Amino acid sequence: DTGVSQDPRHKITKRGQNVTFRCDPISEHNRLYWYRQTLGQGPEFLTYFQNEAQLEKSRLLSDRFSAERPKGSFSTLEIQRTEQGDSAMYLCASSLSRGEGDTQYFGPGTRLTVL
Amino acid sequence: GNSVTQMEGPVTLSEEAFLTINCTYTATGYPSLFWYVQYPGEGLQLLLKATKADDKGSNKGFEATYRKETTSFHLEKGSVQVSDSAVYFCALKTGGGNKLTFGTGTQLKVEL
Repeated sequence: DTGVSQDPRHKITKRGQNVTFRCDPISEHNRLYWYRQTLGQGPEFLTYFQNEAQLEKSRLLSDRFSAERPKGSFSTLEIQRTEQGDSAMYLCASSLSRGEGDTQYFGPGTRLTVL
Repeated sequence: GNSVTQMEGPVTLSEEAFLTINCTYTATGYPSLFWYVQYPGEGLQLLLKATKADDKGSNKGFEATYRKETTSFHLEKGSVQVSDSAVYFCALKTGGGNKLTFGTGTQLKVEL
């Protein structure tokens, strides 16, 4: 399977704990995106990388959120001191910056539940 | 700013019925337009796209035409199947940006 993969698929944590999610993009895709989707809503953009550089961050990405893509391949999204409002599906997508650069391919998501 | 408005669901149809899911948008510049589909328990999949006015995107019997004059990108299918039951999301991306802006999604349920 050469699609976007995410790990874990599900995470249950207690309020105040830190969590980290991983995303592996389609190989050779130099762009990587994180989105958040809450129940009954469409995905909302969080942040975007081109290679290892984080080029855009949404206002939704509070100081408790940090994302990295250290070698321009996989990415991690960490949430510190989780709150119940952080409960959502966290989606990762990847794309090329040329050719079909308009098309983002999504992973299956990580569902976070904060108790 | 950019925004996408979709018709509210759920939409319930009988198999072989005609489907229309309305989508209108507000955007600066000239966006690319997309329909994504999310089947139960699965991730978002690109269904079709159109990158300029009057373009028609099509896939798996679904079609949508980029209408600049009405800022719309309505999704249509002539004969739906039970397997089309899913949530459908309309989205846009403006040329200079990289993020997708999504609508709230429309749930489609097709019954025998």
